[in-house]
Amino acid sequence: EAGVAQSPRYKIIEKRQSVAFWCNPISGHATLYWYQQILGQGPKLLIQFQNNGVVDDSQLPKDRFSAERLKGVDSTLKIQPAKLEDSAVYLCASSLDLVNTEAFFGQGTRLTVV
Amino acid sequence: RKEVEQDPGPFNVPEGATVAFNCTYSNSASQSFFWYRQDCRKEPKLLMSVYSSGNEDGRFTAQLNRASQYISLLIRDSKLSDSATYLCVVNEQAGTALIFGKGTTLSVSS
Repeated sequence: EAGVAQSPRYKIIEKRQSVAFWCNPISGHATLYWYQQILGQGPKLLIQFQNNGVVDDSQLPKDRFSAERLKGVDSTLKIQPAKLEDSAVYLCASSLDLVNTEAFFGQGTRLTVV
Repeated sequence: RKEVEQDPGPFNVPEGATVAFNCTYSNSASQSFFWYRQDCRKEPKLLMSVYSSGNEDGRFTAQLNRASQYISLLIRDSKLSDSATYLCVVNEQAGTALIFGKGTTLSVSS
C-alpha cells in the first residue's frame, strides 16, 4: 500500500516569497492533516480536513497560510508571504476517518526561509 | 497552556538498559493515547497505542493513569536501534486531530 506522498522534499526561499506544498494521502483516507514541526518541537496541527471540508483550522495563521483539498483527495498548503519563523518541516498525515485516528505521515517538506 | 508535556531528555543509556519515559496531559476528558517514534529527519510513526489496562509489545510497555493524567513508556533491554525521539500523543475528542508532545530523545550506546 502506498504511503502519504509529499512534494517537494526540500525548499529554500527568501522571506516575503510564496511557497506551496503538495500532499497525496493514502488511498481511501478521508481525513487529512497538515502539521508544522519546528526543530526540537513536536508536530503542531495547522489544519484538518474531512473529505473536502475543514474540520479544524484554529491554529492556521490565516493572514499568510492557506490550504485546500478541493476534491477531497490531494491537498495543497500555501504560505504567502513567508517569514523567517516559518522555517520548519511541514508534515502531511492522513487517517481512515474521524473515528480511526491513527495518523500516517508523509516524509515532510523541509522549508528554509532565508 | 501546555497540553502534552514530556521531559525532552536526552536520555543516554547503554545497550541492555531499561529506560522509562513519562508524559502528562492537561485535558482530563482526553480519550485516546499513543506513543509515536520519530527517527532523525524522518516522519513520526506509530509505536503503540496506550490502553487503560496497560499494554505490552515485546520490549515495550505502555501504561495510562487517568486519575493522574499520566502516560508512560518503558523500554527493556535497550538496543542501538531504539535511539530516536519518542512522542507522547493524545486525542482529546473523537474527530479531532492528534496533539503531540515535544518528544523525548533517547540515545542508546554500545
